[in-house]
Amino acid sequence: QKEVEQDPGPLSVPEGAIVSLNCTYSNSAFQYFMWYRQYSRKGPELLMYTYSSGNKEDGRFTAQVDKSSKYISLFIRDSQPSDSATYLCAMSGKSGGSNYKLTFGKGTLLTVNP
Amino acid sequence: KAGVTQTPRYLIKTRGQQVTLSCSPISGHRSVSWYQQTPGQGLQFLFEYFSETQRNKGNFPGRFSGRQFSNSRSEMNVSTLELGDSALYLCASSFTGQSTDTQYFGPGTRLTVL
Repeated sequence: QKEVEQDPGPLSVPEGAIVSLNCTYSNSAFQYFMWYRQYSRKGPELLMYTYSSGNKEDGRFTAQVDKSSKYISLFIRDSQPSDSATYLCAMSGKSGGSNYKLTFGKGTLLTVNP
Repeated sequence: KAGVTQTPRYLIKTRGQQVTLSCSPISGHRSVSWYQQTPGQGLQFLFEYFSETQRNKGNFPGRFSGRQFSNSRSEMNVSTLELGDSALYLCASSFTGQSTDTQYFGPGTRLTVL
Protein backbone atom coordinates (compact mmCIF):
# COMPACT_ATOMS: atom_id res chain seq x y z
CA GLN A 1 0.00 0.00 0.00
CA LYS A 2 1.37 3.39 -0.99
CA GLU A 3 1.74 5.95 1.78
CA VAL A 4 -0.44 8.46 -0.05
CA GLU A 5 -3.26 7.59 -2.43
CA GLN A 6 -4.82 10.10 -4.81
CA ASP A 7 -7.28 9.47 -7.61
CA PRO A 8 -5.46 10.55 -10.78
CA GLY A 9 -8.65 11.45 -12.62
CA PRO A 10 -8.84 13.03 -15.08
CA LEU A 11 -11.60 15.24 -13.76
CA SER A 12 -13.53 17.49 -16.14
CA VAL A 13 -16.04 20.06 -14.84
CA PRO A 14 -17.92 23.05 -16.25
CA GLU A 15 -16.90 26.56 -15.28
CA GLY A 16 -18.46 27.60 -11.98
CA ALA A 17 -18.66 24.07 -10.57
CA ILE A 18 -17.45 23.08 -7.12
CA VAL A 19 -14.50 20.74 -7.36
CA SER A 20 -13.58 18.21 -4.69
CA LEU A 21 -10.13 16.60 -4.67
CA ASN A 22 -9.11 13.99 -2.13
CA CYS A 23 -6.20 12.02 -0.75
CA THR A 24 -5.90 9.26 1.80
CA TYR A 25 -2.75 8.31 3.66
CA SER A 26 -1.52 5.48 5.83
CA ASN A 27 1.46 6.95 7.72
CA SER A 28 0.41 8.27 11.12
CA ALA A 29 3.66 10.26 11.30
CA PHE A 30 2.33 12.75 8.78
CA GLN A 31 1.49 15.97 10.57
CA TYR A 32 1.61 18.60 7.84
CA PHE A 33 -0.57 18.60 4.76
CA MET A 34 -0.24 20.59 1.59
CA TRP A 35 -1.89 21.03 -1.76
CA TYR A 36 0.22 22.00 -4.73
CA ARG A 37 -0.95 23.06 -8.18
CA GLN A 38 1.14 22.21 -11.21
CA TYR A 39 0.54 23.70 -14.61
CA SER A 40 1.88 21.94 -17.68
CA ARG A 41 5.64 22.32 -18.04
CA LYS A 42 5.96 24.11 -14.71
CA GLY A 43 7.05 23.16 -11.22
CA PRO A 44 4.47 22.66 -8.45
CA GLU A 45 3.35 25.79 -6.57
CA LEU A 46 1.98 25.71 -3.03
CA LEU A 47 -1.74 26.41 -2.75
CA MET A 48 -2.65 25.46 0.79
CA TYR A 49 -0.82 24.35 3.93
CA THR A 50 -2.53 22.89 7.00
CA TYR A 51 -1.36 21.34 10.22
CA SER A 52 -4.31 20.43 12.38
CA SER A 53 -7.54 18.65 11.62
CA GLY A 54 -10.32 20.94 10.43
CA ASN A 55 -10.86 23.42 7.63
CA LYS A 56 -8.73 26.20 6.25
CA GLU A 57 -10.08 28.66 3.72
CA ASP A 58 -8.24 30.92 1.29
CA GLY A 59 -10.39 32.67 -1.27
CA ARG A 60 -12.07 30.07 -3.46
CA PHE A 61 -10.01 27.26 -1.94
CA THR A 62 -10.79 25.25 1.20
CA ALA A 63 -8.50 22.57 2.59
CA GLN A 64 -9.92 19.98 4.95
CA VAL A 65 -7.97 17.53 7.11
CA ASP A 66 -9.40 14.60 9.04
CA LYS A 67 -6.51 12.96 10.86
CA SER A 68 -8.72 10.33 12.49
CA SER A 69 -9.72 9.04 9.06
CA LYS A 70 -6.35 9.86 7.45
CA TYR A 71 -8.18 11.80 4.75
CA ILE A 72 -7.58 15.23 3.27
CA SER A 73 -9.58 17.24 0.75
CA LEU A 74 -9.31 20.36 -1.34
CA PHE A 75 -12.45 22.16 -2.47
CA ILE A 76 -12.45 24.73 -5.24
CA ARG A 77 -15.52 26.95 -5.44
CA ASP A 78 -16.62 28.77 -8.59
CA SER A 79 -14.00 26.95 -10.62
CA GLN A 80 -12.40 28.83 -13.51
CA PRO A 81 -10.67 27.65 -16.70
CA SER A 82 -7.44 29.02 -15.19
CA ASP A 83 -7.79 26.37 -12.45
CA SER A 84 -7.10 23.68 -15.06
CA ALA A 85 -3.95 21.98 -13.80
CA THR A 86 -2.72 18.94 -11.92
CA TYR A 87 -3.39 19.10 -8.19
CA LEU A 88 -0.99 17.27 -5.92
CA CYS A 89 -1.47 16.52 -2.27
CA ALA A 90 1.71 16.35 -0.20
CA MET A 91 2.50 15.44 3.38
CA SER A 92 5.39 15.53 5.78
CA GLY A 93 6.16 14.47 9.31
CA LYS A 94 7.67 16.00 12.38
CA SER A 95 10.66 13.79 12.82
CA GLY A 96 12.50 10.75 11.66
CA GLY A 97 12.33 9.52 8.10
CA SER A 98 9.32 11.61 7.23
CA ASN A 99 11.00 14.88 8.14
CA TYR A 100 12.86 17.00 5.63
CA LYS A 101 10.87 15.55 2.74
CA LEU A 102 7.45 15.68 1.15
CA THR A 103 5.52 12.57 0.20
CA PHE A 104 3.20 13.26 -2.71
CA GLY A 105 0.08 11.74 -4.14
CA LYS A 106 0.25 11.05 -7.86
CA GLY A 107 -1.85 14.11 -8.66
CA THR A 108 -5.30 14.69 -10.13
CA LEU A 109 -5.58 16.29 -13.56
CA LEU A 110 -8.40 18.84 -13.52
CA THR A 111 -9.91 20.51 -16.58
CA VAL A 112 -12.43 23.32 -16.16
CA ASN A 113 -14.40 23.86 -19.35
CA PRO A 114 -15.65 27.36 -20.26
CA LYS B 1 12.78 38.04 -5.36
CA ALA B 2 14.04 35.47 -7.82
CA GLY B 3 12.62 31.96 -7.59
CA VAL B 4 14.34 28.61 -7.72
CA THR B 5 16.27 28.19 -10.96
CA GLN B 6 17.28 24.94 -12.57
CA THR B 7 19.66 24.35 -15.44
CA PRO B 8 19.50 23.04 -18.01
CA ARG B 9 15.76 22.98 -18.66
CA TYR B 10 15.97 20.15 -21.17
CA LEU B 11 18.53 17.44 -21.68
CA ILE B 12 18.82 14.46 -24.01
CA LYS B 13 21.30 11.72 -23.18
CA THR B 14 21.91 8.14 -24.24
CA ARG B 15 22.00 5.04 -22.07
CA GLY B 16 25.21 4.60 -20.15
CA GLN B 17 26.08 8.29 -20.06
CA GLN B 18 26.09 10.40 -16.94
CA VAL B 19 24.40 13.72 -16.32
CA THR B 20 24.69 16.61 -13.86
CA LEU B 21 21.76 18.88 -13.07
CA SER B 22 22.03 22.18 -11.24
CA CYS B 23 19.73 24.02 -8.85
CA SER B 24 20.05 27.53 -7.44
CA PRO B 25 17.75 28.06 -4.44
CA ILE B 26 15.94 31.21 -3.46
CA SER B 27 18.31 33.65 -1.79
CA GLY B 28 18.54 32.90 1.93
CA HIS B 29 17.26 29.35 1.61
CA ARG B 30 19.68 26.75 2.93
CA SER B 31 17.72 23.57 2.29
CA VAL B 32 17.55 22.03 -1.17
CA SER B 33 15.56 18.92 -2.02
CA TRP B 34 15.41 16.95 -5.24
CA TYR B 35 12.44 15.03 -6.61
CA GLN B 36 11.89 12.84 -9.65
CA GLN B 37 8.53 13.12 -11.41
CA THR B 38 7.30 10.45 -13.82
CA PRO B 39 3.80 9.69 -15.12
CA GLY B 40 3.84 6.26 -13.54
CA GLN B 41 5.28 7.01 -10.10
CA GLY B 42 4.46 10.67 -9.63
CA LEU B 43 6.78 12.82 -7.55
CA GLN B 44 9.34 10.83 -5.59
CA PHE B 45 11.84 12.20 -3.11
CA LEU B 46 15.50 11.76 -4.01
CA PHE B 47 17.45 13.58 -1.28
CA GLU B 48 17.66 16.72 0.83
CA TYR B 49 20.68 18.86 1.68
CA PHE B 50 21.16 21.49 4.34
CA SER B 51 24.43 23.33 4.89
CA GLU B 52 26.26 20.95 2.56
CA THR B 53 25.06 17.87 4.48
CA GLN B 54 22.65 15.24 3.19
CA ARG B 55 19.98 14.77 5.83
CA ASN B 56 17.56 12.47 4.11
CA LYS B 57 17.64 10.14 1.14
CA GLY B 58 14.88 8.41 -0.79
CA ASN B 59 14.81 4.89 -2.18
CA PHE B 60 16.88 5.37 -5.29
CA PRO B 61 19.97 3.41 -6.40
CA GLY B 62 23.45 4.69 -5.73
CA ARG B 63 23.67 5.93 -9.32
CA PHE B 64 21.79 8.97 -8.06
CA SER B 65 23.92 11.31 -6.01
CA GLY B 66 23.99 14.93 -5.06
CA ARG B 67 25.90 17.62 -3.31
CA GLN B 68 25.44 21.10 -1.99
CA PHE B 69 27.91 23.94 -2.07
CA SER B 70 28.63 26.56 0.55
CA ASN B 71 26.42 29.06 -1.30
CA SER B 72 23.51 26.56 -1.02
CA ARG B 73 23.51 25.80 -4.75
CA SER B 74 23.06 22.10 -5.38
CA GLU B 75 23.84 19.60 -8.08
CA MET B 76 22.56 16.11 -8.64
CA ASN B 77 24.33 13.53 -10.71
CA VAL B 78 23.02 10.39 -12.35
CA SER B 79 25.61 7.93 -13.60
CA THR B 80 25.16 5.07 -16.07
CA LEU B 81 21.84 6.39 -17.32
CA GLU B 82 19.00 3.96 -17.96
CA LEU B 83 15.88 4.46 -20.08
CA GLY B 84 13.80 4.53 -16.91
CA ASP B 85 15.65 7.62 -15.69
CA SER B 86 13.73 9.72 -18.21
CA ALA B 87 11.77 12.09 -16.03
CA LEU B 88 11.25 15.64 -14.86
CA TYR B 89 13.75 16.39 -12.09
CA LEU B 90 12.52 19.02 -9.69
CA CYS B 91 14.44 20.96 -7.14
CA ALA B 92 12.80 22.66 -4.15
CA SER B 93 14.26 25.07 -1.64
CA SER B 94 13.24 26.30 1.79
CA PHE B 95 14.84 28.16 4.68
CA THR B 96 15.38 25.17 6.94
CA GLY B 97 13.86 22.11 5.26
CA GLN B 98 11.76 21.47 8.35
CA SER B 99 8.23 20.18 7.87
CA THR B 100 6.85 23.56 8.98
CA ASP B 101 8.75 25.31 6.20
CA THR B 102 7.25 26.05 2.79
CA GLN B 103 9.09 24.41 -0.07
CA TYR B 104 9.33 26.33 -3.33
CA PHE B 105 9.85 24.38 -6.52
CA GLY B 106 11.82 25.25 -9.60
CA PRO B 107 10.55 24.60 -13.14
CA GLY B 108 12.44 21.34 -13.41
CA THR B 109 14.89 19.75 -15.81
CA ARG B 110 13.32 17.43 -18.37
CA LEU B 111 15.74 14.53 -18.92
CA THR B 112 15.22 12.19 -21.85
CA VAL B 113 17.36 9.06 -22.06
CA LEU B 114 17.53 7.39 -25.47
